[in-house]
Amino acid sequence: DSGVTQTPKHLITATGQRVTLRCSPRSGDLSVYWYQQSLDQGLQFLIHYYNGEERAKGNILERFSAQQFPDLHSELNLSSLELGDSALYFCASSAGTGGPDTQYFGPGTRLTVL
Amino acid sequence: DQQVKQNSPSLSVQEGRISILNCDYTNSMFDYFLWYKKYPAEGPTFLISISSIKDKNEDGRFTVFLNKSAKHLSLHIVPSQPGDSAVYFCAASGAADFNKFYFGSGTKLNVKP
Repeated sequence: DSGVTQTPKHLITATGQRVTLRCSPRSGDLSVYWYQQSLDQGLQFLIHYYNGEERAKGNILERFSAQQFPDLHSELNLSSLELGDSALYFCASSAGTGGPDTQYFGPGTRLTVL
Repeated sequence: DQQVKQNSPSLSVQEGRISILNCDYTNSMFDYFLWYKKYPAEGPTFLISISSIKDKNEDGRFTVFLNKSAKHLSLHIVPSQPGDSAVYFCAASGAADFNKFYFGSGTKLNVKP
């Protein structure tokens, strides 16, 4: 158990809909990262938040947005969903020490868009 | 554009033998590399890392080798155990944003008893 929790575990929705994925980092970790893993692909970095502030953006679509709240949990919002958005979405957290950190991953949310 | 590549989708080895997983990268600015292990229905778990100032890092049965000139790293597992059967991802980051990691597509290792 990494200490990172993600909800829900599974999500099935229809095209055009909007969903919110939630992540709670390990106790004490200030950084939260979101990744997308499509079928047979590696993890694609989406976005990094540190203590409530956006720090880095990867290949995140404009239809996707994220935020980190004062209690450090994070939400990833996916809107106008398309079939191609079906994927595993992982959240990871790290201490945010200022150097390369080990990232601890949650179990992921499997999103299926029908 | 895939900056980190794992060209072998799968690898099968006998228990007790050496497993060698390979990873290539294209960005010469990468200076920190990690390996993660992933079991089904779980998130990736950190395994071992190496910075570009080293060419080898060892942790128990796991050793990572870095060849900067070839932009290549490898993970050696000796001896391999059935519990090592998992998908292994390599990842890299650069000084420009050391917490923005680029992941390979993974190699599925099967260790046969």
